Amino acid sequence: DVQMTQSPSSLSASVGDRVAITCRASLGINNYLAWYQQKPGKGPRLLIYSASTLQSGVPSRFSGSGYGTDFTLTISSLQPEDVATYYCQKYNTAPYSFGQGTKLEI
Amino acid sequence: EVQLVESGGALVQPGGSLRLSCAASGFTFRNYWMNWVRQAPGGGLDWVANIKEDGSERNYVDSVKGRFTISRDNAKNSLYLQMNSLRAEDTALYYCARQPFGEFDSWGHGTLVTVSS
Repeated sequence: DVQMTQSPSSLSASVGDRVAITCRASLGINNYLAWYQQKPGKGPRLLIYSASTLQSGVPSRFSGSGYGTDFTLTISSLQPEDVATYYCQKYNTAPYSFGQGTKLEI
Repeated sequence: EVQLVESGGALVQPGGSLRLSCAASGFTFRNYWMNWVRQAPGGGLDWVANIKEDGSERNYVDSVKGRFTISRDNAKNSLYLQMNSLRAEDTALYYCARQPFGEFDSWGHGTLVTVSS
């Protein structure tokens, strides 16, 4: 099975910073990659799909890039409400594995 | 508005069984693949199983194969997860999620399953 590895596991940044989270697949997955945001006590929220397509309603400061095995989620200007844990997920074939998560703090 | 509401979580002894339900509303349920995803306390997200729109195809993570069964009733707009031979490591918050293509675009708030003696 394809393994998804995120880095870093945790990250502390300041309001207004540009933040990048990376996700690596153990085998190529084309662009079948999604990013999710999860705030404490809440279900996950889809941010990005097809590696770079912004889900409706998601602020434009979020963006995604990558193809094959290496992917990046970027927040262009960090806001206080972005404090959350972020997960990548591959969905080309089952099992639809998630990365271990990146906890983002301010 | 899309709504997914999970129920059925409980405290159960190791080796026991439990059936989770997910009530869907606000969209045409029969047109979507549906999933169960779980999250152990303090842990990350783990995909568990999914089922095709008409129930004709199902997929499972290896750790639950032979123990869990995903099913759906399109007439009742409901998704189910029958969990047998439960283990301590199955303790988690269980979410249902809608899958329009590959990504999971809507999630419920989860139902808690605790496996302990």
